[in-house]
Amino acid sequence: KAGVTQTPRYLIKTRGQQVTLSCSPISGHRSVSWYQQTPGQGLQFLFEYFSETQRNKGNFPGRFSGRQFSNSRSEMNVSTLELGDSALYLCASSPPGGLKTQYFGPGTRLLVL
Amino acid sequence: DQQVKQNSPSLSVQEGRISILNCDYTNSMFDYFLWYKKYPAEGPTFLISISSIKDKNEDGRFTVFLNKSAKHLSLHIVPSQPGDSAVYFCAASASVSAAGNKLTFGGGTRVLVKP
Repeated sequence: KAGVTQTPRYLIKTRGQQVTLSCSPISGHRSVSWYQQTPGQGLQFLFEYFSETQRNKGNFPGRFSGRQFSNSRSEMNVSTLELGDSALYLCASSPPGGLKTQYFGPGTRLLVL
Repeated sequence: DQQVKQNSPSLSVQEGRISILNCDYTNSMFDYFLWYKKYPAEGPTFLISISSIKDKNEDGRFTVFLNKSAKHLSLHIVPSQPGDSAVYFCAASASVSAAGNKLTFGGGTRVLVKP
């Protein structure tokens, strides 16, 4: 099975712009979660989508949003970019069932100038 | 409020010896624990997990131990190999709660295995 894929892998934006990142989960996985990794804050949960609905949300401002499509692919959007949004954005998918291991994609490295 | 803590930011070990990584948590709702290995600018790779109904889980060179009363888990890697050099993250989830699929991560431990 192919793993989680994320596009683009690298992105450079300027302050005030917006950005959209894409994630394709492992086939058969319906839950997609997004995380932000920064040197100062570590790995932090952004939100989770399941069956096109946001099921969980972390403590991030409303500038961070996401959606999920009927094929389980997900996108996250960050509007009005700030310098502090520079980070590695990771997407993870998990299979249906009980205790769920999350499998991560390679991430999108976002640099905000 | 750091609910998952890895108190050792780094660990250096000789090839062939045992690496022991530790993780402490505070949230009693956590019932599923995972260890991930991560290289720079890559996504975390799942290594091994353990549910709160067990106290040990083994997979090849990797063994995870869970002490629920102490809210402590550890990862043992035996024998350590140079390819094990990476950052290791401990993560926890409260699967029976509304936040079921949310992973809370520790700060990571950088492991260096010397040949």
